[in-house]
Amino acid sequence: SQQGEEDPQALSIQEGENATMNCSYKTSINNLQWYRQNSGRGLVHLILIRSNEREKHSGRLRVTLDTSKKSSSLLITASRAADTASYFCATVTNRAGTALIFGKGTTLSVSS
Amino acid sequence: GAVVSQHPSRVICKSGTSVKIECRSLDFQATTMFWYRQFPKQSLMLMATSNEGSKATYEQGVEKDKFLINHASLTLSTLTVTSAHPEDSSFYICSASRPSGGDTQYFGPGTRLTVL
Repeated sequence: SQQGEEDPQALSIQEGENATMNCSYKTSINNLQWYRQNSGRGLVHLILIRSNEREKHSGRLRVTLDTSKKSSSLLITASRAADTASYFCATVTNRAGTALIFGKGTTLSVSS
Repeated sequence: GAVVSQHPSRVICKSGTSVKIECRSLDFQATTMFWYRQFPKQSLMLMATSNEGSKATYEQGVEKDKFLINHASLTLSTLTVTSAHPEDSSFYICSASRPSGGDTQYFGPGTRLTVL
């Protein structure tokens, strides 16, 4: 089963612009994670935010978490062509132990 | 960072044959590994949780007799797709987490299975 929905499903921007992706989930979570996947490749862990945190930064990435709305957002600032990939949020729930339940993903295209 | 490998990276087989996919944690011991399946342009779906020394836990709708999981050592889990059919064609990805590494998971590069 899938936990959440990502919004938008696809996003096309120019280099230098910011990209914002949103994720909503359904059940209580321990933490929420964002992953990146280049076409046909494995996943790369980007950032983890715990249920008691509201905002976290890592380089050009900024993640927010609103547990009251069961939603999270990923902001990539000053995007680069190399940021072109699919981005997924994933949650760890009590039910699934440490298994990740993924959202549907956002495909980001950054053109130079 | 931790490295998880998968083998093979791509496999093409005939309908009715069985295919084994290996997932190895290269620099840490993983008591638990996870298997995911990803169809084209879709997200990852958790198939099963592989537990070292015990039976795997399968997600609802995943046939345990079709997708055999063996986790015989702390660094190796295998997924065997038995009597594969074209609808089993997919991207199979494993992941593992360090015993003391919290909830961060390390993903293998995936295996592209094509069943003719």
